[in-house]
Amino acid sequence: QKEVEQNSGPLSVPEGAIASLNCTYSDRVSQSFFWYRQYSGKSPELIMSIYSNGDKEDGRFTAQLNKASQYVSLLIRDSQPSDSATYLCAVNKAAGNKLTFGGGTRVLVKP
Amino acid sequence: EAQVTQNPRYLITVTGKKLTVTCSQNMNHEYMSWYRQDPGLGLRQIYYSMNVEVTDKGDVPEGYKVSRKEKRNFPLILESPSPNQTSLYFCASSLVLASYEQYFGPGTRLTVT
Repeated sequence: QKEVEQNSGPLSVPEGAIASLNCTYSDRVSQSFFWYRQYSGKSPELIMSIYSNGDKEDGRFTAQLNKASQYVSLLIRDSQPSDSATYLCAVNKAAGNKLTFGGGTRVLVKP
Repeated sequence: EAQVTQNPRYLITVTGKKLTVTCSQNMNHEYMSWYRQDPGLGLRQIYYSMNVEVTDKGDVPEGYKVSRKEKRNFPLILESPSPNQTSLYFCASSLVLASYEQYFGPGTRLTVT
């Protein structure tokens, strides 16, 4: 089992709809969770971080964390063509020095 | 401008010819890391450094070396590159520890023939 798993996609959503991305992780002691966006040929950039159970909203993005079920999700509301990218889930273990990434979910927003 | 820079951006080399990819950050970050990205495998950590003279292995350190003699620089060294090291490499830095936001460099695309 991979430490951090994501559906590779592509996840195709119409413009204006909600894109829902999921990520599961295997290590229960994980404490920090991140979503990075990566456009084709570019480097990853952080869009959300979440550390405690529940929802965290930032603009059109909402991250949801459920430590008991070991999953973290990302919702993109009012999806725009500019949201078309690969979204990487990353997890940091408690007191750990490593950031472990999932394989990424490719999102395509169609006008 | 706060940034992480990498050089070169593109490199084609032959098996066994030693090479160094440089990484530099101007944000006074303590933590720096190297990743490689391969299709279907995502980003995998090669080495990381908590501070000057403090480095440790990540998930895929075989065939790579690093050094951290200055806070701002963290070069990646391939002593004897092999074709399976053909990949896209990213350097990243964060203020303290991996649990903080990591800022990524633009990437270095390496091809070993």
